[in-house]
This record gives sequence, structure tokens and C-alpha cells, in this order.
Amino acid sequence: GAGVSQSPSNKVTEKGKDVELRCDPISGHTALYWYRQRLGQGLEFLIYFQGNSAPDKSGLPSDRFSAERTGESVSTLTIQRTQQEDSAVYLCASSLVGGNSGNTIYFGEGSWLTVV
Amino acid sequence: QQQVKQSPQSLIVQKGGIPIINCAYENTAFDYFPWYQQFPGKGPALLIAIRPDVSEKKEGRFTISFNKSAKQFSLHIMDSQPGDSATYFCAASWGSSNTGKLIFGQGTTLQVKP
Repeated sequence: GAGVSQSPSNKVTEKGKDVELRCDPISGHTALYWYRQRLGQGLEFLIYFQGNSAPDKSGLPSDRFSAERTGESVSTLTIQRTQQEDSAVYLCASSLVGGNSGNTIYFGEGSWLTVV
Repeated sequence: QQQVKQSPQSLIVQKGGIPIINCAYENTAFDYFPWYQQFPGKGPALLIAIRPDVSEKKEGRFTISFNKSAKQFSLHIMDSQPGDSATYFCAASWGSSNTGKLIFGQGTTLQVKP
């Protein structure tokens, strides 16, 4: 596609439920990132995928968070047993290559998650 | 040490004014400093970026000033317009041993009044 595509754009879920957020990166981009943006705050790095290399999971806030990516395509971020503090915009991004600074990172419009 | 501190949190200027947003960092390994612009309901988009080997970079009305010794960099918007009203994030990244992931500042909400 032309840009990074994310779905759903909005999700309201009950506390304790599991949610899955999907990201379709720009075609040909090997690097994929997930970030979290809480209301009025900056972006927090969550996880990074590069091709078939082991993902960098250093930003995942707890074991309730996990993500998968099949090859160089779609990624899914899963949040289990959601808590109210998980309410945020979850942004997916991709770049042509990773593993170096200076590669432009393109963001999707985000998935707005509200836990009630 | 991996933090990027951004100020001010919010800024209001009149049309034609020159808003300045400042960022500071500690990690001397950072070697790439982009600025992202985010409109409500949209994802951040790259605006302009600089490497520490230059002290200034201009693209259109947007200028980054970089002070390596002070570990600070700033964004200046010349002849600001109401359409520049958005949230601006500075960020930093570092070399080949890293994934290329960006560390973001907390953001500055800019309002340009007509």
C-alpha cells in the first residue's frame, strides 16, 4: 500500500479482555516498529522487527504485551487482560531497512485503544 | 541517559512569528536527530532531520540548529502559519549497533493564531 495501514482505527474494550491490533507496513519495508502514545505524551518504543532476525522486545511494558510478524509483512500486537492504563494510541511504523540510524521511519495513523 | 527532554510543552504565536522548540539529550552516542510533525488524529510525519556533523540545516521555513558541545538542538519555524499548528516531537537515534529505533521527546503543541 501507499502508507502504513493499521486496524482497527478505534477499539473500545472491557478491562480484562484481550485485544489484537494489526499493522500492514509499506511494501518492501523490512523494518517494523510499534510505539505507544499516551494522551498528551511522547511516543514510547515497544518492539522492533527486522526481517527474520530476533525482534527487539526491550520496550514491551509487561508480559501481557506480545507481537508477531510473519516475514516482512503484517504484524499483530496483542495485549492480554487489558488494564485501564493500556488506553493509548498504538502506532505502527516501518522503514526500508533497520539496524542503523538515519533511515526514515514512516508512521501509520494509529489504533486508538480505550479500556473501560 | 536515553532520554530526550523537550520544551516548552505548549507554545502560542501569532502568524508570522518564529516559534522555537528546544531539545536536550545526554547520550553522546546519538547521531541522528529528526523532528516529527503530528496533526490531530494522524500519525507523526518526518519534517526535517540533522546529523551532529553540521550546526544548522534548513528546509523551506523549517530550520534545525544543533549545538553538539551543549547536547542541544532546536527547531525554528520561520514566518509561521496557522497551518503549522500541530504537535512537534524531537527524537534521537544512534548507530549501527542499534535497531534504528527513535527515542522521542514529550512533544510541543504549537498554536499559530491568524
